[in-house]
Amino acid sequence: AQSVAQPEDQVNVAEGNPLTVKCTYSVSGNPYLFWYVQYPNRGLQFLLKYITGDNLVKGSYGFEAEFNKSQTSFHLKKPSALVSDSALYFCAVRVINSGGGADGLTFGKGTHLIIQP
Amino acid sequence: NAGVTQTPKFRILKIGQSMTLQCAQDMNHNYMYWYRQDPGMGLKLIYYSVGAGITDKGEVPNGYNVSRSTTEDFPLRLELAAPSQTSVYFCASSPAQGAGEKLFFGSGTQLSVL
Repeated sequence: AQSVAQPEDQVNVAEGNPLTVKCTYSVSGNPYLFWYVQYPNRGLQFLLKYITGDNLVKGSYGFEAEFNKSQTSFHLKKPSALVSDSALYFCAVRVINSGGGADGLTFGKGTHLIIQP
Repeated sequence: NAGVTQTPKFRILKIGQSMTLQCAQDMNHNYMYWYRQDPGMGLKLIYYSVGAGITDKGEVPNGYNVSRSTTEDFPLRLELAAPSQTSVYFCASSPAQGAGEKLFFGSGTQLSVL
């Protein structure tokens, strides 16, 4: 079974500093990895994804994520944090099932990112 | 440009009552999903559908039912509400079920069962 771990419930960063939100995964096969963001009282919004190719993936709002196969990680990063980046961030994974299709996304528990002015 | 629309936004139920959470999408997506979000637990898949007339169970289907009579609509039914079903429910859709497809989410329904 596939699983995702987000080891930090909350990450606090000062505005202007770089930020990292951690994610590790466990799958059988090649992973398809995603980051979603949730603002208060809103649904999740897609940020970025890794399917194959370059290990550094760039996404919306200046975010990027680095896929590391040996460490089974997919950490979310941003060089300079903004107060408006404060939100709940979810890492998710998907694999191809035995029938050749893809099951639903498996989500991590989420990490609250708080950017302090 | 509505995307995925969920109604109602909030609801309080008494134990044993029934209700239907509505979900509609206007993007002509074949694939639709229902998730529940509990604090500190992430999102869990309840049911999903790969097209009109086809539904399948996800990770936590007990206590719920779904139907998919049209491409646009994917309602979630709670027959006998229980306190354990207090949660925030999200509907989502995607154009295909390829592993790299992103999901489009509605804004959620916050349900309390008392």
